[in-house]
Amino acid sequence: EIVLTQSPGTLSLSPGERATLSCRASQSVYSSYLAWYQQKPGQAPRLLIHGASSRATGIPDRFSGSGSGTDFTLSISRLEPEDFAVYYCQQYGSSPWTFGQGTKVEIK
Amino acid sequence: EVQLVESGGDLVQPGGSLRLSCAASGFTFSSFAMSWVRQAPGKGLECISAISGTGSDPYYADSVKGRFTIARDNSKNTLYLQMNSLRAEDTAVYYCAKGRVTSWYCFDFWGQGTLVTVSS
Repeated sequence: EIVLTQSPGTLSLSPGERATLSCRASQSVYSSYLAWYQQKPGQAPRLLIHGASSRATGIPDRFSGSGSGTDFTLSISRLEPEDFAVYYCQQYGSSPWTFGQGTKVEIK
Repeated sequence: EVQLVESGGDLVQPGGSLRLSCAASGFTFSSFAMSWVRQAPGKGLECISAISGTGSDPYYADSVKGRFTIARDNSKNTLYLQMNSLRAEDTAVYYCAKGRVTSWYCFDFWGQGTLVTVSS
């Protein structure tokens, strides 16, 4: 089973700042099948990034993903008020399909 | 517009059973794999079961294997999860999620979730 470790656990930033979230896999993720999701309180997750770097439909271009192998990054160029949420990475290259434990981006 | 609407969540005693449903609309249901992903209170996400568009190749996480059964009725555009021998650790919000066309286990749409509470 591929274990995904996200860091930091909590990121305290102000609107307009840049956010950089990390997701490290315990073994190489097949074909960069790595996704990022955003979840707000009381809501379902929303797909942001698939294939490590492709934005999902309707996702603003301030969200970007990068990485390959075992190290992946989600960047938010300028935080908007609606971006404060929990972010999860997920690998879907090999069974079982696993999620990271999440990074909370909170208002400083 | 893609819509996924779960139902069937409830309070159930340990050892009991429950069947969840997910009504889908806004896309060709039979063309896409579907999954159940759960989230225990205050915890992260766990993909527990998935099924192909044709209803073959079911997947189960070890945590539910032998207790849960996934099924779909493409004529009704509905996904199901039969949950037996429920345990306290099955308490969670259960989401149904639609797989992407090229990556079955990357989830591009989610329902709003239904709460299952296992407690005496």
